Amino acid sequence: QKEVEQNSGPLSVPEGAIASLNCTYSDRGSQSFFWYRQYSGKSPELIMSIYSNGDKEDGRFTAQLNKASQYVSLLIRDSQPSDSATYLCAVNRAAGNKLTFGGGTRVLVKP
Amino acid sequence: DGGITQSPKYLFRKEGQNVTLSCEQNLNHDAMYWYRQDPGQGLRLIYYSQIVNDFQKGDIAEGYSVSREKKESFPLTVTSAQKNPTAFYLCASSNRGQNEQFFGPGTRLTVL
Repeated sequence: QKEVEQNSGPLSVPEGAIASLNCTYSDRGSQSFFWYRQYSGKSPELIMSIYSNGDKEDGRFTAQLNKASQYVSLLIRDSQPSDSATYLCAVNRAAGNKLTFGGGTRVLVKP
Repeated sequence: DGGITQSPKYLFRKEGQNVTLSCEQNLNHDAMYWYRQDPGQGLRLIYYSQIVNDFQKGDIAEGYSVSREKKESFPLTVTSAQKNPTAFYLCASSNRGQNEQFFGPGTRLTVL
């Protein structure tokens, strides 16, 4: 089992719809969870951080965390073509100040 | 402007050569990291440094070396011992005690 797992996609979403991305992790001691957006050929950009169970909203993005079930999700509302990118889930390791990244989910928003 | 810079953007190397990738940050962050990304893959940790003059191996350190002589600089050397060095190399930094990492623009290394 990979430490952080994501569906590689592509997740195809019509413009204006909600994109739902999921991420599961194996380290029960993890306390910090992050979503990065990576456009093709570019470096990852931090878009959401979440530390507590529940939902956290920032603009069109909502991160959801469930530590008991060991999953974190990202919702993108009113998806735009500019949201087409790969979304990386990152989870801190219980030991040390390090992150483990999932393989990423590629999202395609079609006009 | 505060940020992380990496140079060069593209680098071509012949087999058997060592190359050094530059990473500089002016965010006053204590911790710095080097990752490697292969096509269609996530990021894998090569080396990290929590403080000046100290660094630790990550998950795939073989064939790489680093130094941390200054807080703002964390260069990565890809040695000839690295068997598959062609990849996208990303440098990141974070504040002490915080897990949020911020990335530089990356260096794309190709071995000819």
